[in-house]
Amino acid sequence: GNSVTQMEGPVTLSEEAFLTINCTYTATGYPSLFWYVQYPGEGLQLLLKATKADDKGSNKGFEATYRKETTSFHLEKGSVQVSDSAVYFCALTLYNQGGKLIFGQGTELSVKP
Amino acid sequence: SQTIHQWPATLVQPVGSPLSLECTVEGTSNPNLYWYRQAAGRGLQLLFYSVGIGQISSEVPQNLSASRPQDRQFILSSKKLLLSDSGFYLCASGQGNTHNEQFFGPGTRLTVL
Repeated sequence: GNSVTQMEGPVTLSEEAFLTINCTYTATGYPSLFWYVQYPGEGLQLLLKATKADDKGSNKGFEATYRKETTSFHLEKGSVQVSDSAVYFCALTLYNQGGKLIFGQGTELSVKP
Repeated sequence: SQTIHQWPATLVQPVGSPLSLECTVEGTSNPNLYWYRQAAGRGLQLLFYSVGIGQISSEVPQNLSASRPQDRQFILSSKKLLLSDSGFYLCASGQGNTHNEQFFGPGTRLTVL
């Protein structure tokens, strides 16, 4: 079936460290891929997306590249800040499925000053 | 952009009591609407989605039901809550297109005792 797998958390980093959160997917057809972020006590908001192979999504210093050959969409940031502390969800949608999101289990990131 | 309202923000209910969570959407028309649940330590699971008034699809068998009495109103209900219904409930709105993001509400934290 269709699914998304993320690296387990929590991930704890010091401020200005490099961040990678791994995400791989299994899907029939060609999915669109998303990273959503959930700050403490809030709902989810879109961080970035990529809709076809080799696309790179970017926002707020975060980047992720749609890798069809490795079925991956890893999230990276060169220098994290305390304000980046949140839970990050990788997700996909499939064509003609009503826009339904299939989420990974989420990765909690904690950035220490 | 869209704004999603959910209430209540938090709710503590005894086992066997009824439930009604409401979601309303501003800034769009004819959206697809979704209810997700986030159980403690787990990812988000799609419970219901709706492509129009009175049209509800259930993704998983469960103790809950959903209704869409108006274009931009989506209600999650239960006649008798179970302990396992505890979680964080998120309402989302989207255009149903594979490439488009979903907009999420702030969520309702439900604790069943």
